[in-house]
Amino acid sequence: EVPLLESGGDLVQPGGSLRLSCTASGFTFSNYAMTWVRQAPGKGLEWVSAINTTGDSTYYADSVKGRFTISRDNSKNTLYLQMNSLRAEDTAIYYCARGLKSSNYWGQGTQVTVSS
Amino acid sequence: QSALTQPASVSGSPGQSITISCTGTSSDVGGYKYVSWYQQHPGKAPKLMIYDVSNWPAGASNRFSGSKSGNTASLTISGLQAEDEADYYCSSYTSSSTLVFGTGTKVSVL
Repeated sequence: EVPLLESGGDLVQPGGSLRLSCTASGFTFSNYAMTWVRQAPGKGLEWVSAINTTGDSTYYADSVKGRFTISRDNSKNTLYLQMNSLRAEDTAIYYCARGLKSSNYWGQGTQVTVSS
Repeated sequence: QSALTQPASVSGSPGQSITISCTGTSSDVGGYKYVSWYQQHPGKAPKLMIYDVSNWPAGASNRFSGSKSGNTASLTISGLQAEDEADYYCSSYTSSSTLVFGTGTKVSVL
């Protein structure tokens, strides 16, 4: 059983929007902070955003602040990333991961491509 | 939120030990015990190898060890094996309540 499964990645035009989802299974989702990390083609890991267990505290990298919104629905065991005003430099594989300061569970990633 | 500095590549022969450095500032690596190390094979998700500077998660190999001195953290791989060939990333919690990753190090087994 895959503990974290991302979905929602797609090809989108610059300026467009996309919502990523990450569905958790096999653990008590509401007990863990969650994180989004991305990796551009051929590049390193970049921390994007994180959210606490209840969803009332959220954190963002400067590169996405004001454009991306992280949220969660503990009743659905699901983490979200709403991405607006997308840019070419947002093209990457987006991973969801369990935890805030370190993550021992990662999803397999979902591809987001921003291109006209 | 500048990336932590890692060497681009490190290599070693099977059985040898290698060390990867991860240099930050007093606002991240030097200020907190929350340094982690990840291994990533091509096309795969990262795998946690070390957390909180020197702790092993369940299932991780004890051939991997971590330490920290000042603003620099280090990952040592002992008894290097062919399967250790991968990219390695450090990460640190920061004073802005965010996380920052290192630039990444490609480990080659000669």
